[in-house]
Amino acid sequence: GEDVEQSLFLSVREGDSSVINCTYTDSSSTYLYWYKQEPGAGLQLLTYIFSNMDMKQDQRLTVLLNKKDKHLSLRIADTQTGDSAIYFCAERSRSSASKIIFGSGTRLSIRP
Amino acid sequence: DVKVTQSSRYLVKRTGEKVFLECVQDMDHENMFWYRQDPGLGLRLIYFSYDVKMKEKGDIPEGYSVSREKKERFSLILESASTNQTSMYLCASSGGQGFYNEQFFGPGTRLTVL
Repeated sequence: GEDVEQSLFLSVREGDSSVINCTYTDSSSTYLYWYKQEPGAGLQLLTYIFSNMDMKQDQRLTVLLNKKDKHLSLRIADTQTGDSAIYFCAERSRSSASKIIFGSGTRLSIRP
Repeated sequence: DVKVTQSSRYLVKRTGEKVFLECVQDMDHENMFWYRQDPGLGLRLIYFSYDVKMKEKGDIPEGYSVSREKKERFSLILESASTNQTSMYLCASSGGQGFYNEQFFGPGTRLTVL
């Protein structure tokens, strides 16, 4: 079946890099996503990567995709207090192109 | 800007009550979704709709029903609320099936069933 797994918590010091990891099961996934949920808000798309790419960089964000191991990571450089949020890894469903399968979310907290 | 609005931010209901959660989007999106979010479980899909009057069950449809009479509005109905339906409910919409298919989310409704 389709499943996305990620750890529940990550704590980093302000200014350090944060790396959030995720594994997925569907090797035919075309798109993989990172969504961000700030306190009291809904989810917002942070970035996405198409399955024919290995890496995507957007300012402080770097997404790495290892298709062989079905592993996706999100690196946030120079982590700031405003990066405190829950980060959801997600993959596009094979059974329905409009559906997205979400992981459990990783809560990122920033230490001063 | 895409806007997805939900009728209430917080709702408190009693066991056995019928509960309506409303969601409206203003971008003419074909697809609309209802999720519930629980700590440690992430987002679980309850129902989704890809067109007016069309609906499909998600992963956890038991105890819920939905209605989509107009393209912009998708309602989630709890026929007889139970305490295990206490949760955060998130509505989302997306347009078409091509490209990267971003889902746009509302702010959520935190429902407490006593």
